[in-house]
Amino acid sequence: DQQVKQNSPSLSVQEGRISILNCDYTNSMFDYFLWYKKYPAEGPTFLISISSIKDKNEDGRFTVFLNKSAKHLSLHIVPSQPGDSAVYFCAASGYNNNDMRFGAGTRLTVKP
Amino acid sequence: DTGVSQDPRHKITKRGQNVTFRCDPISEHNRLYWYRQTLGQGPEFLTYFQNEAQLEKSRLLSDRFSAERPKGSFSTLEIQRTEQGDSAMYLCASSPGELGAFFGQGTRLTVV
Repeated sequence: DQQVKQNSPSLSVQEGRISILNCDYTNSMFDYFLWYKKYPAEGPTFLISISSIKDKNEDGRFTVFLNKSAKHLSLHIVPSQPGDSAVYFCAASGYNNNDMRFGAGTRLTVKP
Repeated sequence: DTGVSQDPRHKITKRGQNVTFRCDPISEHNRLYWYRQTLGQGPEFLTYFQNEAQLEKSRLLSDRFSAERPKGSFSTLEIQRTEQGDSAMYLCASSPGELGAFFGQGTRLTVV
């Protein structure tokens, strides 16, 4: 059951521009949403999260937006850098954080 | 190194053999997760421990799969009578109970 969906398998952006990665979910019981970044041959690395009581969380160049009514969240990276090139996974969990559900990932390529 | 450690990094086994993977979580993290990731997909939840108690188990975890976390420290994931469909990256993550889990580098299993 695909409770978390990332419909864009890939995204290519020019260095210095904004990268916008999107994620949709179906389970209204999800309370926490997270973004992970994954480089080849490494496990996913936690990037940023947002609670369902907020609609925006910012950490440096990374901002996550949550639209609960649309069951949609997005990750904005600005300005994008070549080192940001990786696969980005969106994840969601319930309040007790017992099991995170992941999307299929979006491969971001930032071109110099 | 204080991160999540997984052993082995790679495992090639013949169909029908049993395999066991080990995960050493970050010290004092009471939550431990196992995920499986196949090519082009996000990590799929397998099971979750809080301390030594296995609290959740995915439908994906057939009877051939068993996980343990004796004494609430390291964890093992055993697959009996491996099948080619078991070929995947097996990821372990740990969490202190707050938001965000930290992943190990994974064990890549190839069943031939």
